[in-house]
Amino acid sequence: GQQLNQSPQSMFIQEGEDVSMNCTSSSIFNTWLWYKQDPGEGPVLLIALYKAGELTSNGRLTAQFGITRKDSFLNISASIPSDVGIYFCDGRNYGGSQGNLIFGKGTKLSVKP
Amino acid sequence: DVKVTQSSRYLVKRTGEKVFLECVQDMDHENMFWYRQDPGLGLRLIYFSYDVKMKEKGDIPEGYSVSREKKERFSLILESASTNQTSMYLCASSFLSGSTGELFFGEGSRLTVL
Repeated sequence: GQQLNQSPQSMFIQEGEDVSMNCTSSSIFNTWLWYKQDPGEGPVLLIALYKAGELTSNGRLTAQFGITRKDSFLNISASIPSDVGIYFCDGRNYGGSQGNLIFGKGTKLSVKP
Repeated sequence: DVKVTQSSRYLVKRTGEKVFLECVQDMDHENMFWYRQDPGLGLRLIYFSYDVKMKEKGDIPEGYSVSREKKERFSLILESASTNQTSMYLCASSFLSGSTGELFFGEGSRLTVL
């Protein structure tokens, strides 16, 4: 079946550093969603992307829908301790009433104050 | 505030016991999902439902069953719990169409099977 390769698996960074993570696939998607899971909580949507080449920002977060439609990128600028958590990408390919739901395995972010 | 509520945050059960995990959403969503989350494996879909009494297998349905008798409630059942079902279980819901496709997750139920 379809798979999303999310990297890196984990990151240990210093507060103030920028962070980059990505998801790639051999399949084409028409929607990318990025979620963050705080420790002990369920994931929450950060950013949604619907168009190839689209670049969307939400505060210090910027996400891009790759032009090939097979990848997406999430950047966090000037990281702070509350950025700690697991970040998941979710690629959708709507071929039916709801499409396929595929998550990357997550990027675990640790921030040292 | 939209809400997905899972009945138990932490459960400890013995091998062979029957386990019920309950999930309720108050957003009138058609879709409901059960995932399990394990370190290094991410979120794996167990079952989902797009309507009352409807269910579809996800990627790892073996050892699980589900029930959706009412739109707002989706239950995950472990008929005979085993130690390899020790995990974090996450329920989620979403609209069927005409929306961002966003999933709303509960806080999770951490199950330990001894």
